[in-house]
Amino acid sequence: LAKTTQPISMDSYEGQEVNITCSHNNIATNDYITWYQQFPSQGPRFIIQGYKTKVTNEVASLFIPADRKSSTLSLPRVSLSDTAVYYCLVGDRAGKSTFGDGTTLTVKP
Amino acid sequence: GAVVSQHPSWVICKSGTSVKIECRSLDFQATTMFWYRQFPKQSLMLMATSNEGSKATYEQGVEKDKFLINHASLTLSTLTVTSAHPEDSSFYICSARGREFPTDTQYFGPGTRLTVL
Repeated sequence: LAKTTQPISMDSYEGQEVNITCSHNNIATNDYITWYQQFPSQGPRFIIQGYKTKVTNEVASLFIPADRKSSTLSLPRVSLSDTAVYYCLVGDRAGKSTFGDGTTLTVKP
Repeated sequence: GAVVSQHPSWVICKSGTSVKIECRSLDFQATTMFWYRQFPKQSLMLMATSNEGSKATYEQGVEKDKFLINHASLTLSTLTVTSAHPEDSSFYICSARGREFPTDTQYFGPGTRLTVL
């Protein structure tokens, strides 16, 4: 299983763009990269998933360089409600994913 | 789509009793379900993986006789904490994957808070 490394915490202000980078140096060929958001006492919520290059949906963008050894979750114009823990997971269809420590994002007014 | 429910959302029990937690996929067939445990201020820790109709695969260090997992149908998995003790108090979260999803996306339930007195 590919191990992931993220910053433990990040601070931002409302309206700013936030980029959270995850390192996954031993990612396997078949592995996808998935990001989740978790609020206290709730289950993680799917944000975005990608395999390579760039993926964008209505809430975030995911940038994956050609070597796929890292990925960056980009949250445009964050609000107070984006304060949460963000996890990146790397895994494949045949196996399972291991949660890293996650990044606690605090958005300040 | 891709909704996973858990029941109960919280439970308080006495030491030595057993507690059953249900995990249901509401709008898809869950070929694989996962059970996690999360202690305060910590990340999710995978306990076991279960595939419909087969025995669960437990992670190292997780007692299979204490944490009984049953995945009897494509929409239901249960976790039974047997002879619960205060150290079993935690937040238990299930997730599910379905074959209609093209990749390995897991959809998570809302979690169950277990408190053992």
